[in-house]
Amino acid sequence: GAVVSQHPSRVICKSGTSVKIECRSLDFQATTMFWYRQFPKQSLMLMATSNEGSKATYEQGVEKDKFLINHASLTLSTLTVTSAHPEDSSFYICSARDFQTSGELFFGEGSRLTVL
Amino acid sequence: RKEVEQDPGPFNVPEGATVAFNCTYSNSASQSFFWYRQDCRKEPKLLMSVYSSGNEDGRFTAQLNRASQYISLLIRDSKLSDSATYLCVVNTRDNFNKFYFGSGTKLNVKP
Repeated sequence: GAVVSQHPSRVICKSGTSVKIECRSLDFQATTMFWYRQFPKQSLMLMATSNEGSKATYEQGVEKDKFLINHASLTLSTLTVTSAHPEDSSFYICSARDFQTSGELFFGEGSRLTVL
Repeated sequence: RKEVEQDPGPFNVPEGATVAFNCTYSNSASQSFFWYRQDCRKEPKLLMSVYSSGNEDGRFTAQLNRASQYISLLIRDSKLSDSATYLCVVNTRDNFNKFYFGSGTKLNVKP
């Protein structure tokens, strides 16, 4: 089946630095990808919808200048957490829908960010 | 009001038990419904889609009641490996095909 790959799986950084997370659709083209954040024992919260070749659409309460999203190709979207702070520590997951086959929503493996 | 609501559990059941999870959604225009399984510190994975007529996949049965805006998942003959968090997911067709997630129901199957 379709695969979505996310990298890095774990990252630890100092407060104030920026961290980039990559999300790739490995065997299908994804014009739209979704970025979620999940805090411990909570559900996935949609942060933004990434659109290939255009600006991302952010959910209410998500700062677009802090969480920069770039979707430069049909198989790659990146999320950059800028000037990270400890409260940004979370599990970030991307997903993409394979419309070419089943339309199923596939998830990346997730990236666990720890900001010291 | 949340888009999707689930009982967080945990449900602690012995092996072999039958367990049922419920989920309600608030948007009557919701179009597609799914159950995902999420293991601790892992990404969610599709367990099964939920069809209007109800559907079964082995020990798992999913049902949808559009009138009540209610979805259920029944697991028969629980296995230890069924222990996970089960997420109810609803898709509302808008410009970007957003998916809304319930908070998940945790299942612990004990020997």
